Amino acid sequence: GENVEQHPSTLSVQEGDSAVIKCTYSDSASNYFPWYKQELGKGPQLIIDIRSNVGEKKDQRIAVTLNKTAKHFSLHITETQPEDSAVYFCAASRGSGNTGKLIFGQGTTLQVKP
Amino acid sequence: GAGVSQTPSNKVTEKGKYVELRCDPISGHTALYWYRQSLGQGPEFLIYFQGTGAADDSGLPNDRFFAVRPEGSVSTLKIQRTERGDSAVYLCASSLYETGELFFGEGSRLTVL
Repeated sequence: GENVEQHPSTLSVQEGDSAVIKCTYSDSASNYFPWYKQELGKGPQLIIDIRSNVGEKKDQRIAVTLNKTAKHFSLHITETQPEDSAVYFCAASRGSGNTGKLIFGQGTTLQVKP
Repeated sequence: GAGVSQTPSNKVTEKGKYVELRCDPISGHTALYWYRQSLGQGPEFLIYFQGTGAADDSGLPNDRFFAVRPEGSVSTLKIQRTERGDSAVYLCASSLYETGELFFGEGSRLTVL
Protein backbone atom coordinates (compact mmCIF):
# COMPACT_ATOMS: atom_id res chain seq x y z
CA GLY A 1 0.00 0.00 0.00
CA GLU A 2 0.94 3.64 -0.15
CA ASN A 3 3.11 4.93 2.69
CA VAL A 4 5.01 7.90 4.09
CA GLU A 5 8.46 7.51 5.64
CA GLN A 6 9.65 10.10 8.15
CA HIS A 7 13.13 10.71 9.58
CA PRO A 8 14.55 11.10 12.13
CA SER A 9 12.34 9.49 14.76
CA THR A 10 13.90 11.67 17.48
CA LEU A 11 15.71 14.97 17.24
CA SER A 12 17.35 16.96 20.01
CA VAL A 13 18.58 20.50 19.38
CA GLN A 14 19.80 23.43 21.43
CA GLU A 15 17.51 26.42 21.75
CA GLY A 16 18.14 28.79 18.85
CA ASP A 17 19.39 26.08 16.51
CA SER A 18 17.52 24.86 13.43
CA ALA A 19 15.65 21.56 13.12
CA VAL A 20 14.97 19.66 9.91
CA ILE A 21 12.59 16.73 9.47
CA LYS A 22 12.37 14.82 6.19
CA CYS A 23 9.63 12.69 4.63
CA THR A 24 9.24 10.62 1.50
CA TYR A 25 5.97 9.42 0.00
CA SER A 26 5.03 6.75 -2.50
CA ASP A 27 1.68 7.80 -4.02
CA SER A 28 2.38 9.73 -7.23
CA ALA A 29 -1.15 11.15 -7.10
CA SER A 30 -0.63 12.86 -3.72
CA ASN A 31 -0.95 16.62 -4.09
CA TYR A 32 -1.32 17.92 -0.53
CA PHE A 33 1.35 17.71 2.17
CA PRO A 34 0.53 19.01 5.66
CA TRP A 35 2.66 19.02 8.79
CA TYR A 36 1.12 18.56 12.23
CA LYS A 37 2.38 19.23 15.74
CA GLN A 38 1.06 17.01 18.50
CA GLU A 39 1.56 17.73 22.17
CA LEU A 40 1.03 15.13 24.87
CA GLY A 41 -2.63 14.25 25.31
CA LYS A 42 -3.75 16.53 22.48
CA GLY A 43 -4.86 16.01 18.92
CA PRO A 44 -2.58 16.91 16.00
CA GLN A 45 -2.60 20.59 15.04
CA LEU A 46 -1.79 21.82 11.55
CA ILE A 47 1.28 24.07 11.50
CA ILE A 48 1.94 24.42 7.79
CA ASP A 49 0.95 22.75 4.53
CA ILE A 50 2.02 22.79 0.92
CA ARG A 51 0.31 21.81 -2.29
CA SER A 52 1.98 20.19 -5.26
CA ASN A 53 1.98 23.31 -7.43
CA VAL A 54 4.39 25.05 -5.03
CA GLY A 55 8.00 24.16 -4.23
CA GLU A 56 8.42 26.07 -0.98
CA LYS A 57 6.30 27.82 1.61
CA LYS A 58 7.32 29.82 4.66
CA ASP A 59 5.47 31.05 7.71
CA GLN A 60 7.64 32.97 10.18
CA ARG A 61 10.10 30.43 11.68
CA ILE A 62 8.64 27.46 9.81
CA ALA A 63 9.22 26.49 6.19
CA VAL A 64 8.37 23.48 4.08
CA THR A 65 9.99 22.40 0.80
CA LEU A 66 8.59 19.92 -1.70
CA ASN A 67 10.36 17.97 -4.43
CA LYS A 68 7.66 16.18 -6.42
CA THR A 69 10.10 14.49 -8.76
CA ALA A 70 11.93 12.84 -5.88
CA LYS A 71 8.73 12.48 -3.83
CA HIS A 72 10.12 14.06 -0.72
CA PHE A 73 9.31 17.05 1.43
CA SER A 74 10.92 18.61 4.47
CA LEU A 75 10.05 20.77 7.46
CA HIS A 76 12.50 23.42 8.60
CA ILE A 77 12.17 25.16 11.95
CA THR A 78 14.60 28.02 12.60
CA GLU A 79 15.47 29.69 15.89
CA THR A 80 13.93 26.84 17.85
CA GLN A 81 12.35 27.53 21.24
CA PRO A 82 11.54 25.15 24.13
CA GLU A 83 7.83 25.43 23.28
CA ASP A 84 8.59 23.85 19.90
CA SER A 85 9.19 20.57 21.76
CA ALA A 86 6.51 18.11 20.61
CA VAL A 87 5.91 15.26 18.17
CA TYR A 88 5.77 16.35 14.54
CA PHE A 89 4.00 14.38 11.81
CA CYS A 90 4.22 14.78 8.08
CA ALA A 91 1.38 13.52 5.91
CA ALA A 92 0.45 13.12 2.27
CA SER A 93 -3.01 13.07 0.73
CA ARG A 94 -4.36 9.70 -0.38
CA GLY A 95 -4.58 10.53 -4.06
CA SER A 96 -5.60 13.99 -5.18
CA GLY A 97 -8.65 16.04 -4.24
CA ASN A 98 -9.62 15.29 -0.66
CA THR A 99 -7.18 16.87 1.79
CA GLY A 100 -8.62 15.10 4.82
CA LYS A 101 -7.79 11.55 3.76
CA LEU A 102 -4.15 11.45 4.75
CA ILE A 103 -1.31 8.99 5.11
CA PHE A 104 0.84 9.99 8.10
CA GLY A 105 4.49 9.41 8.77
CA GLN A 106 5.64 7.73 11.98
CA GLY A 107 6.41 11.00 13.75
CA THR A 108 9.49 12.84 15.00
CA THR A 109 9.90 13.68 18.66
CA LEU A 110 11.61 17.06 18.80
CA GLN A 111 13.28 18.15 22.02
CA VAL A 112 14.57 21.71 22.27
CA LYS A 113 16.97 22.14 25.17
CA PRO A 114 17.03 25.58 26.84
CA GLY B 1 -15.93 25.76 22.71
CA ALA B 2 -15.48 26.05 18.98
CA GLY B 3 -13.28 22.98 18.49
CA VAL B 4 -13.97 19.31 17.72
CA SER B 5 -15.30 17.61 20.84
CA GLN B 6 -14.85 13.90 21.55
CA THR B 7 -16.36 11.82 24.34
CA PRO B 8 -15.42 9.92 26.34
CA SER B 9 -11.82 11.08 26.68
CA ASN B 10 -10.95 7.71 28.20
CA LYS B 11 -12.71 4.36 27.96
CA VAL B 12 -11.61 1.13 29.59
CA THR B 13 -13.50 -1.99 28.61
CA GLU B 14 -13.17 -5.74 28.65
CA LYS B 15 -12.45 -7.93 25.68
CA GLY B 16 -15.63 -8.82 23.85
CA LYS B 17 -17.62 -5.76 24.93
CA TYR B 18 -19.30 -3.17 22.69
CA VAL B 19 -18.05 0.43 22.65
CA GLU B 20 -19.34 3.70 21.23
CA LEU B 21 -17.19 6.79 20.74
CA ARG B 22 -18.78 10.14 19.97
CA CYS B 23 -17.54 13.07 17.90
CA ASP B 24 -19.06 16.53 17.77
CA PRO B 25 -17.45 18.43 14.86
CA ILE B 26 -17.03 22.15 14.45
CA SER B 27 -20.40 23.68 13.59
CA GLY B 28 -20.94 23.94 9.85
CA HIS B 29 -18.18 21.50 8.91
CA THR B 30 -19.54 19.10 6.32
CA ALA B 31 -16.57 16.74 6.19
CA LEU B 32 -15.83 14.45 9.15
CA TYR B 33 -13.05 11.90 9.55
CA TRP B 34 -12.13 9.18 12.01
CA TYR B 35 -8.52 8.18 12.53
CA ARG B 36 -6.88 5.67 14.87
CA GLN B 37 -3.52 6.33 16.50
CA SER B 38 -1.60 3.52 18.13
CA LEU B 39 1.13 4.28 20.66
CA GLY B 40 4.18 5.81 19.01
CA GLN B 41 2.60 5.86 15.54
CA GLY B 42 1.01 8.37 13.23
CA PRO B 43 -2.77 8.47 12.86
CA GLU B 44 -4.32 5.98 10.43
CA PHE B 45 -7.37 6.88 8.37
CA LEU B 46 -10.53 4.90 9.14
CA ILE B 47 -13.56 6.55 7.53
CA TYR B 48 -14.70 9.79 5.90
CA PHE B 49 -18.19 11.31 5.93
CA GLN B 50 -19.44 14.01 3.61
CA GLY B 51 -22.72 15.10 5.14
CA THR B 52 -24.64 12.07 6.36
CA GLY B 53 -23.09 9.48 4.09
CA ALA B 54 -19.89 7.51 4.51
CA ALA B 55 -18.04 8.56 1.37
CA ASP B 56 -15.03 6.35 2.06
CA ASP B 57 -14.84 3.58 4.68
CA SER B 58 -11.82 1.85 3.17
CA GLY B 59 -9.75 2.30 6.34
CA LEU B 60 -12.04 0.36 8.67
CA PRO B 61 -10.00 -2.70 9.70
CA ASN B 62 -12.88 -5.21 9.73
CA ASP B 63 -16.63 -5.53 10.08
CA ARG B 64 -16.51 -5.08 13.86
CA PHE B 65 -16.05 -1.38 13.19
CA PHE B 66 -18.93 0.81 12.07
CA ALA B 67 -19.62 4.55 12.09
CA VAL B 68 -22.70 6.68 11.57
CA ARG B 69 -23.52 10.34 11.14
CA PRO B 70 -27.31 10.36 10.88
CA GLU B 71 -27.96 14.11 10.81
CA GLY B 72 -24.76 15.27 9.17
CA SER B 73 -23.26 16.62 12.38
CA VAL B 74 -22.42 14.34 15.35
CA SER B 75 -20.81 11.03 14.49
CA THR B 76 -20.51 7.81 16.48
CA LEU B 77 -17.83 5.19 15.96
CA LYS B 78 -19.05 1.77 17.08
CA ILE B 79 -16.80 -1.19 17.85
CA GLN B 80 -18.30 -4.63 18.45
CA ARG B 81 -16.66 -7.55 20.25
CA THR B 82 -13.64 -5.47 21.20
CA GLU B 83 -10.20 -7.06 21.09
CA ARG B 84 -7.01 -6.06 22.90
CA GLY B 85 -5.56 -4.95 19.57
CA ASP B 86 -8.27 -2.29 19.32
CA SER B 87 -6.58 -0.36 22.13
CA ALA B 88 -5.57 3.03 20.71
CA VAL B 89 -6.52 6.69 20.62
CA TYR B 90 -9.41 7.29 18.26
CA LEU B 91 -9.23 10.76 16.73
CA CYS B 92 -12.01 12.63 15.04
CA ALA B 93 -11.41 15.54 12.68
CA SER B 94 -13.59 17.86 10.67
CA SER B 95 -13.16 20.36 7.87
CA LEU B 96 -15.38 22.95 6.27
CA TYR B 97 -15.21 21.15 2.94
CA GLU B 98 -13.25 18.23 1.59
CA THR B 99 -10.31 20.37 0.52
CA GLY B 100 -10.13 22.46 3.67
CA GLU B 101 -7.89 22.45 6.73
CA LEU B 102 -8.40 19.49 9.03
CA PHE B 103 -9.16 20.20 12.71
CA PHE B 104 -8.61 17.33 15.13
CA GLY B 105 -10.24 16.66 18.46
CA GLU B 106 -8.22 15.52 21.47
CA GLY B 107 -9.20 11.91 20.92
CA SER B 108 -10.82 9.10 22.86
CA ARG B 109 -8.31 6.73 24.44
CA LEU B 110 -9.67 3.17 24.32
CA THR B 111 -8.12 0.46 26.46
CA VAL B 112 -9.33 -3.11 26.03
CA LEU B 113 -8.33 -5.37 28.92
